[in-house]
Amino acid sequence: EVQLVQSGAEIKKPGESLRISCKGSGYSFTSYWIAWVRQMPGKGLEWMGIIFPGDSDTKYSPSFQGQVTFSADKSIRTAYLQWSSLKASDTAMYYCARRGDYGDYWGQGTLVTVSS
Amino acid sequence: EIVLTQSPGTLSLSPGERATLSCRASQSFSSNLAWYQQKPGQAPRLLIYGASSRATGIPDRFSGSGSGTDFTLTISRLEPEDFAVYYCQQYGSSPPYTFGQGTKLEIK
Repeated sequence: EVQLVQSGAEIKKPGESLRISCKGSGYSFTSYWIAWVRQMPGKGLEWMGIIFPGDSDTKYSPSFQGQVTFSADKSIRTAYLQWSSLKASDTAMYYCARRGDYGDYWGQGTLVTVSS
Repeated sequence: EIVLTQSPGTLSLSPGERATLSCRASQSFSSNLAWYQQKPGQAPRLLIYGASSRATGIPDRFSGSGSGTDFTLTISRLEPEDFAVYYCQQYGSSPPYTFGQGTKLEIK
């Protein structure tokens, strides 16, 4: 069974750093892109970009380029989304999904709250 | 960047009725379009990919059509569990692969 399991909710202060994770199982982790999608409170879905765990190739949406960093550790089948300096506007639910085009399997989401 | 516009913003229907949701693109990208359903507190669920192919386990009352710039998701007979928010997403020739703003399907 294909599963993507994301790390738990986070509460952070502005300016802090953060890395959230997405662990894949039930399929060949290095053969599929992983996408990251943001959903701000009460809003729609925003495509952030994708990473290919096989070689860590990345493609970012212009809206998120330079604001976040994708990485992956294929030895533990885990993809990461990280921020070096969080802002209040980063408060959102973040989803990972399998595939680089459309998401056929999704993680349960990680809620990130940034507040002073 | 391709912009997707979904209409209507909210659709009010009763169980048993037919729902027709629209997704219009700012430029053509063949049939690389997906539809998702999202219920409150849940992750999105893939319904349709390639504009018209149903994802695994999706009931046949859900169907997708269209190509180029105009796409439609049709739910033939609404079940109580179908009331949710629906998003389209394009995955054309190159990223970013954008989403529409969503259509909320609510019970009338």
